[in-house]
Amino acid sequence: DAGVIQSPRHEVTEMGQEVTLRCKPISGHNSLFWYRQTMMRGLELLIYFNNNVPIDDSGMPEDRFSAKMPNASFSTLKIQPSEPRDSAVYFCASSPTGHGYTFGSGTRLTVV
Amino acid sequence: SQQGEEDPQALSIQEGENATMNCSYKTSINNLQWYRQNSGRGLVHLILIRSNEREKHSGRLRVTLDTSKKSSSLLITASRAADTASYFCATDDLSSGSARQLTFGSGTQLTVLP
Repeated sequence: DAGVIQSPRHEVTEMGQEVTLRCKPISGHNSLFWYRQTMMRGLELLIYFNNNVPIDDSGMPEDRFSAKMPNASFSTLKIQPSEPRDSAVYFCASSPTGHGYTFGSGTRLTVV
Repeated sequence: SQQGEEDPQALSIQEGENATMNCSYKTSINNLQWYRQNSGRGLVHLILIRSNEREKHSGRLRVTLDTSKKSSSLLITASRAADTASYFCATDDLSSGSARQLTFGSGTQLTVLP
């Protein structure tokens, strides 16, 4: 298994632009999570899907953030419009319910 | 909000020594997990200990859990330079119900000197 695959690995964009981050979870894992990591705030849970259904999006900072999971093998996190304070590493993770997470390598987002 | 809080924030030891990291949390949990993160990489799951377990081993790792004190410790024995990384505890809270998301602590930065 190739693990959790995220793309792109790095993204540099100008303020105001739309950013789309992509994630392919491990086949058979029914839970998918989006986290954001910064030096100041550590790891923050943004949104969590179970069986493709969003369960808890209370961590999504603003309406500028949205996430979808159209099927069991793909999820996107979109930021529109992006702002410099959105700069962070965004991680996707998947797991079977009640087990440890497998994290992707992350997307390092820089908004200038 | 941060549930688990690791202690110490940073730890520097010599190769071959043991490293102990502690984690405290506030709520009732289903399980507690430890993860490692190398610089610039994603987190790697190390070990999961359930609320009804008190100790668990995996290779050079030993994890303890004291639910009465709401604390856990991670012991790495015979440390190696390759163990240099940040270590995070994460809790699966009972209050989350069917939403089994983890809440991560702020991490301990371990440096193992050769």
